[in-house]
Amino acid sequence: QSVLTQPPSVSAAPGQKVTISCSGSSLNIGNNYGSWYQQLPGTAPKLLIYDSNKRPSGIPDRFSGSKSGMSATLGITGLQTGDEADYYCGTWDSSLSAWVFGGGTKLTVL
Amino acid sequence: QVQLQESGPGLVKPSETLSLTCNVSGGSVSRGSYYWSWIRQPPGKGLEWIGYIYYTGSTNYNPSLKSRVTISVDTSKNQFSLKLSSVTAADTAVYYCAREKYLGYSDYWGQGTLVTVSS
Repeated sequence: QSVLTQPPSVSAAPGQKVTISCSGSSLNIGNNYGSWYQQLPGTAPKLLIYDSNKRPSGIPDRFSGSKSGMSATLGITGLQTGDEADYYCGTWDSSLSAWVFGGGTKLTVL
Repeated sequence: QVQLQESGPGLVKPSETLSLTCNVSGGSVSRGSYYWSWIRQPPGKGLEWIGYIYYTGSTNYNPSLKSRVTISVDTSKNQFSLKLSSVTAADTAVYYCAREKYLGYSDYWGQGTLVTVSS
C-alpha cells in the first residue's frame, strides 16, 4: 500500500484533457513540494513537474501541476497517443524520513 | 547534460549480496545541493526509493530496507554504489540510479538494470 494514493488508471480521447490526483497527508504532500514522473513503456521515469507546479526545460506546457492542501494534481491537455504511459507522483515524507511515491496511474488515450 | 549508467550482475542468488554501481558523466557527484539515489521497480509494480548519498558520504535509507542497504560514493571515479544484502526473490526489480535534489525531485535517471534473484 503506497503512502501516496493515485487512481490506478485514467483514460480520455486524443485532444482532450485529463487530470491525475495524488492524495497524501500533512506529513508529505501537505508540507513538502511534490513532483511528477512519466514512465513510457520499457523506459526509465522522466521528470515532468517539480516543486509542485514547475516544468523542467523541454517539457511542453500541455503538462501542468498544482497542489491544494494534502493533494497534488497533474493535468495534461491536448492528449496525444504518445502520452500513453504510467504517471507517478513523489514527495518527501517527513515522518518516514524517506522519499515516497504514489502507486502509479496508467493513462490510456483512446 | 548529466548522464547516469547502472552496471552490475543481472542475476544474484538468494541470501547473497546484490551490488550495483552507477557511473555519472556530464556532471560531478561532488556538486553540492544534489544527492545521488537508488530507486527500484519490481516487474509490473511501482517505484520504491531505496536511499541516497551526498558526496560527503552522508546517507539516508528507506526504513523498510535500512538493515540491508549500504550506499557508498567514490568521488575520484565519479560514481556511487549500492549493496543490498540477504536478497530474496522479492528483491527482483529494475534498479535505477538517479540525481536527487534534496527533498525535491529526481531530475536525471539511469536507464535501469534488471536484477533477478534466483538460484
